[in-house]
Amino acid sequence: AQKITQTQPGMFVQEKEAVTLDCTYDTSDPSYGLFWYKQPSSGEMIFLIYQGSYDQQNATEGRYSLNFQKARKSANLVISASQLGDSAMYFCAMREGIQGAQKLVFGQGTRLTINP
Amino acid sequence: IAGITQAPTSQILAAGRRMTLRCTQDMRHNAMYWYRQDLGLGLRLIHYSNTAGTTGKGEVPDGYSVSRANTDDFPLTLASAVPSQTSVYFCASRPGQGARELFFGEGSRLTVL
Repeated sequence: AQKITQTQPGMFVQEKEAVTLDCTYDTSDPSYGLFWYKQPSSGEMIFLIYQGSYDQQNATEGRYSLNFQKARKSANLVISASQLGDSAMYFCAMREGIQGAQKLVFGQGTRLTINP
Repeated sequence: IAGITQAPTSQILAAGRRMTLRCTQDMRHNAMYWYRQDLGLGLRLIHYSNTAGTTGKGEVPDGYSVSRANTDDFPLTLASAVPSQTSVYFCASRPGQGARELFFGEGSRLTVL
């Protein structure tokens, strides 16, 4: 079963608009972490934001925020005031468990294109 | 600059040949991972290691093996390469329990003909 699902293969957004990238996850572990990464055309993986399963508030990092809805098992990334440089692939990922074996798995990714 | 070094950066390989992708980190991170990235499939976990001396299978382990003799090195071996193993391979590391960020190498592009 897919652990991380990103249902939007591609998105096109006008510059300066806000954009939400969807991510749903599947786990029975009460302790887990959720990540978002950006991969520009140059290929490197850039860490954006992290949300722990026990965190009471939604994570924010500058223009990035994570809309964490635990009951719905969703962890959507919100980018406010999008910029041309935000055009990239975006990956959601999940780490399960605190102790013992800790796998970290990724979704299929969403390609975001910001139009001027 | 501290980080993760992968080698080779790019390689073309004949099917049936043995190949080892090297990954070295100098951050003394406990956990290390190997992923392959394919168009439309995202990053898929091949193998991982939580600490030196231990390894585990990820989502797509078949055809690959790893070892973790020490903290710094985590090589990935293709015993007999097949064309379906053509991909971009990323090595990553994380300090350990509760750590937030995963640090990635630059990737190794492997083509199996």
